[in-house]
Amino acid sequence: DSGVTQTPKHLITATGQRVTLRCSPRSGDLSVYWYQQSLDQGLQFLIHYYNGEERAKGNILERFSAQQFPDLHSELNLSSLELGDSALYFCASSVDRPNTGELFFGEGSRLTVL
Amino acid sequence: GIQVEQSPPDLILQEGANSTLRCNFSDSVNNLQWFHQNPWGQLINLFYIPSGTKQNGRLSATTVATERYSLLYISSSQTTDSGVYFCAVVRYSGGGADGLTFGKGTHLIIQP
Repeated sequence: DSGVTQTPKHLITATGQRVTLRCSPRSGDLSVYWYQQSLDQGLQFLIHYYNGEERAKGNILERFSAQQFPDLHSELNLSSLELGDSALYFCASSVDRPNTGELFFGEGSRLTVL
Repeated sequence: GIQVEQSPPDLILQEGANSTLRCNFSDSVNNLQWFHQNPWGQLINLFYIPSGTKQNGRLSATTVATERYSLLYISSSQTTDSGVYFCAVVRYSGGGADGLTFGKGTHLIIQP
């Protein structure tokens, strides 16, 4: 158990819909990273939040957004879903004081868009 | 951005065999991690090894940062070692905020 909690574990929805994925980092970790794993693109970095502030963006679509709350949990919002958004979405947390430390990953949220 | 190449892409071995997985990266890195993704999709931390050598049971890893590669050794393989092994690196930019860049992985199958 990495200590990073993600919900839901599985999610099935239809095209055009909106979903929210939730992540609770390990106790004491200030950074949350979101990753997308699809068969054709591999593991892609989406976005990084540190202590409530966005620090870096990767290959995140404009239809996707994220935030980190004062209690340090994070949410990834995916809207206007397309078939190609079907993937495993991971959250990772790290201490990051100040630079990137060792990342620990949650079990992922498997999204299926029909 | 930094490129990460892993080899071999696929590896099939008999139980009890030893293996070496390689990770090459295109630029100097500040962090390097090895992960095992099991058949259920979980990413399990194996090593945090920006340089040097570490060992954990049947697994060990070596990173030669000056030559831009890392090696993961698995000895006396067991069927539970099956899965995909990922190497991931970070090269700090000015803000030090970058996430890990992953290789495409080595898909390992251990046959009984």
